[in-house]
Order: sequence, then C-alpha cells, then structure tokens
Amino acid sequence: GDSVTQMEGPVTLSEEAFLTINCTYTATGYPSLFWYVQYPGEGLQLLLKATKADDKGSNKGFEATYRKETTSFHLEKGSVQVSDSAVYFCALGSSASKIIFGSGTRLSIRP
Amino acid sequence: DVKVTQSSRYLVKRTGEKVFLECVQDMDHENMFWYRQDPGLGLRLIYFSYDVKMKEKGDIPEGYSVSREKKERFSLILESASTNQTSMYLCASSLNSGANVLTFGAGSRLTVL
Repeated sequence: GDSVTQMEGPVTLSEEAFLTINCTYTATGYPSLFWYVQYPGEGLQLLLKATKADDKGSNKGFEATYRKETTSFHLEKGSVQVSDSAVYFCALGSSASKIIFGSGTRLSIRP
Repeated sequence: DVKVTQSSRYLVKRTGEKVFLECVQDMDHENMFWYRQDPGLGLRLIYFSYDVKMKEKGDIPEGYSVSREKKERFSLILESASTNQTSMYLCASSLNSGANVLTFGAGSRLTVL
C-alpha cells in the first residue's frame, strides 16, 4: 500500500545552517505530495505542496521538488531561523480519504 | 481563513468514561477527518466523513465512533475510554473530493487515567 518514509529526528541545527529533511514515498498512480508543519502547541498547517512530477513547491524560504524517478520530496531551506523550530510532516494524497502522513521530523534551531 | 475549532484543548478522563470530542469548521467544507497523533507514529486516520450523516472508517477505528449531524460539526466519541486512547486528537477538514489541502484544528490532548 501507499506509504511515506521521512528521516527520523530530532534534527538540531545552528541558525543560518542549510536544512534538508528527506522524504520518500511508495504509491500507486500519481499522488499529490505535501509538507505540513506543526509549531509548538498548534495543529498542523500546510507548508507547501506539489501535484505532479517535477513540480516545485515553495513557501517561507522552504522548497521541495516532486521527483518521480527517485520517489522523493525532500524539504530544503537555505538558511534556517530559530522560528523554524517545529515538527515537519511529509504526506501524500491520492484521494480525499487516502492522505498518508510520515512519522514527523522534529527540528530544533540553536541561536 | 478557514477555521477548524476543537472545543477542548486538554481533557482528563477515567477508564470506562464516555468521551466526546467536538470539532466545528466554518468554511462549508465537505470533508472532515479525525486523526490521532502519537510520537514516532505520525498521524493515523480514525474516521472521516464526506457529507452529513455519512461516515467511513479510517485505519484505526476500533474503540471509536463518530457523528456528523450537521455539515460543520464532526464529533468523535469514545464509548468507553481506555488508557491506550491517551493521545493527541486532531480534527481536519478539506473542501471536496480529491487530495485537497487539509486544514487542522489545534488539537485535543486526552489523558485517560
């Protein structure tokens, strides 16, 4: 069945470091791919999405490219800030009911 | 902005009690969902609903039921709470069919003693 695998955390970086959080997926067909972020004490919110191969989603300095050939959707940011500390979830959606989340990666940024 | 409101942020209940978790969305979304979030397991779908009075089981429905009497409200019910249902419960909604963006509530942290 469909599944999402993302790198385990926690990930700790210094401010202004480069960030990569790996995400790979297994799916039949051509799902949409998402990154959601959960700040402390809050629910999840959409960070970015891509709906077809080679699409690049971007928001708040974060980017991810839908790579069909490697079944990946890695999240990157060139220079992280303390305010980026949160839990990040990769997800895929093939229908309204089949939205599958990865286990989440906790990111902590040191000033 | 779409808003999804979960009525209780924190609840403490005793084993065997009946628990109601309420969720309301204000943007006329068709779909509503209940997930539970546990460390290392990500989000797991309990139940979802495409329309009023309609419900479908998700991946882990055992021990739970739901009610959707009005389009904007989706309730999760634990008929007889158990300690293994201690978790964070997240309600979400989305516009219509297809893999649309989910809008989440802030979550309800339930502790069952």
